[in-house]
Amino acid sequence: GAVVSQHPSWVICKSGTSVKIECRSLDFQATTMFWYRQFPKQSLMLMATSNEGSKATYEQGVEKDKFLINHASLTLSTLTVTSAHPEDSSFYICSARDPGFSYEQYFGPGTRLTVT
Amino acid sequence: LAKTTQPISMDSYEGQEVNITCSHNNIATNDYITWYQQFPSQGPRFIIQGYKTKVTNEVASLFIPADRKSSTLSLPRVSLSDTAVYYCLVMSSARQLTFGSGTQLTVLP
Repeated sequence: GAVVSQHPSWVICKSGTSVKIECRSLDFQATTMFWYRQFPKQSLMLMATSNEGSKATYEQGVEKDKFLINHASLTLSTLTVTSAHPEDSSFYICSARDPGFSYEQYFGPGTRLTVT
Repeated sequence: LAKTTQPISMDSYEGQEVNITCSHNNIATNDYITWYQQFPSQGPRFIIQGYKTKVTNEVASLFIPADRKSSTLSLPRVSLSDTAVYYCLVMSSARQLTFGSGTQLTVLP
């Protein structure tokens, strides 16, 4: 199957700082990518849909000014957590759909964010 | 959105066949049924996908009855390394994936 990578795999930052997480589709071009957040022992929660060349679509309750998403190319989407707080500590996972196979969605390995 | 319901947890022993059933009563005509596996601190991994009847690959089988309102993931001869959370989702080309609670499978020695 197709490969989606994320960088970094884990990051620790201080409260008030911003953190950028990258999501790349390595062997296909993804017009649409998705960002999820997962707290311990819980399921994945969709945060936003990232569309190449246009604004992201955020799920209800997700602050778009706090979680900045940029999908500047067909292989890269970034999520920036601005002014991070300890409650933002979570596991962030991105995924992408191969436009050639619209029913297939591939997930990245995730990024563990810890805000101290 | 098509909501899925699956057992919260299941236990099994090594070498046994495990069947996890998922209900999706309001599945739409264009929806496919997809199962993912997730280990702690990893992204979900695709297991199998189907539309109707039976699909089999090298790791699992997926059984879907004619009305498509449920599906069963079958894992043959599980091992300790199959301990994970298994998610059942319905996918259409137009909608994003919404994850349910998943099933925590624990394989015991």
